[in-house]
Amino acid sequence: NAGVTQTPKFQVLKTGQSMTLQCAQDMNHEYMSWYRQDPGMGLRLIHYSVGAGITDQGEVPNGYNVSRSTTEDFPLRLLSAAPSQTSVYFCASSYKGQGPNEQYFGPGTRLTVT
Amino acid sequence: AQSVTQPDIHITVSEGASLELRCNYSYGATPYLFWYVQSPGQGLQLLLKYFSGDTLVQGIKGFEAEFKRSQSSFNLRKPSVHWSDAAEYFCALHSGGYQKVTFGIGTKLQVIP
Repeated sequence: NAGVTQTPKFQVLKTGQSMTLQCAQDMNHEYMSWYRQDPGMGLRLIHYSVGAGITDQGEVPNGYNVSRSTTEDFPLRLLSAAPSQTSVYFCASSYKGQGPNEQYFGPGTRLTVT
Repeated sequence: AQSVTQPDIHITVSEGASLELRCNYSYGATPYLFWYVQSPGQGLQLLLKYFSGDTLVQGIKGFEAEFKRSQSSFNLRKPSVHWSDAAEYFCALHSGGYQKVTFGIGTKLQVIP
């Protein structure tokens, strides 16, 4: 099992460029999420999905889009990158069960917007 | 609104010493509480979790945590720290709904010889 994989590991963008961060999991988890991690702020939820075709906004969704066409994949799109989106991005997945379950995290993507 | 406070941003302990990392939460009902660890350049890994029942929870790598409702706390402990425990530790609160996940800002642990 690869678990949760993310690509790329590092990315530098210029302001206004767009890009997609890839996330895939091979554990057949229903739930998937995107977080950003900033110094002194912990992890903040951007978007999440409870199954294929179903997504919703988290705490900080502005400037990001998601879709979930398959159970395995949950890409995060930056429409027009801004310096404020410089961060480390983590994808996580968990299975659907009674109550909250452990989230499995990918290794992260470090994004710099200049 | 729910919140998680980790009052210590950075802690330094000597190898072999005991460790306690503090976590306080604010939530109006019974919380689901987690501790995660993040090694440098890695994603987060679950150490332990509390849902209900016994208030002293055992986790991986020799860690334990105690839920104290009266103090709204869920402190993480380890009796003897190893150099490999140097990492950042996050307390998280789930309020039941999947989207209601709140992380603390993290405590960075440094272990000195």
